[in-house]
Amino acid sequence: KQEVTQIPAALSVPEGENLVLNCSFTDSAIYNLQWFRQDPGKGLTSLLLIQSSQREQTSGRLNASLDKSSGRSTLYIAASQPGDSATYLCAVSPGAQKLVFGQGTRLTINP
Amino acid sequence: EAQVTQNPRYLITVTGKKLTVTCSQNMNHEYMSWYRQDPGLGLRQIYYSMNVEVTDKGDVPEGYKVSRKEKRNFPLILESPSPNQTSLYFCASSFGTSYNEQFFGPGTRLTVL
Repeated sequence: KQEVTQIPAALSVPEGENLVLNCSFTDSAIYNLQWFRQDPGKGLTSLLLIQSSQREQTSGRLNASLDKSSGRSTLYIAASQPGDSATYLCAVSPGAQKLVFGQGTRLTINP
Repeated sequence: EAQVTQNPRYLITVTGKKLTVTCSQNMNHEYMSWYRQDPGLGLRQIYYSMNVEVTDKGDVPEGYKVSRKEKRNFPLILESPSPNQTSLYFCASSFGTSYNEQFFGPGTRLTVL
């Protein structure tokens, strides 16, 4: 059974710092991995999608990497801003259009 | 605007009173799915649909029903809600393969008293 773990559960950093969020998964047989952002009481916003054959994806200040063989992904946020404060969720697709989610990392950027 | 919509956004009801949460997408996606999100348990899939008239159980289907009579709509039905179904519910959609990005609705916060 696929399990996804995100460490740390919460992270607080000063504005302007670069930071890395971690995601690990137990079964390397995945179609893709998605990073989402969730604001309190809100829906999920897709940030980056990495296909199983890819190593990384970039969007603006965000860069996500995927190492399928080791079951790991990282989300790198450059020059963090208070508006980046949110919960970040990692999810893998083991097939059949299903997503298995991690518990998320709650990120706080302090001005 | 391409989007997934859900209604209602908030609902408080009582045990046993049947309810339906609607989900609609305007992107012509084949695939649609329902998730629930609970503290400490994360998001878990309830049901999914690969296309019209094709539905299947996810990880936590007990107490829920779905139907897919039209491509754009995928309602979630609780025939006899119970307090353990109090949760935040999300509908999602994507194009028809497992390689595609999933788009989520804004969520429905359900409280069953």
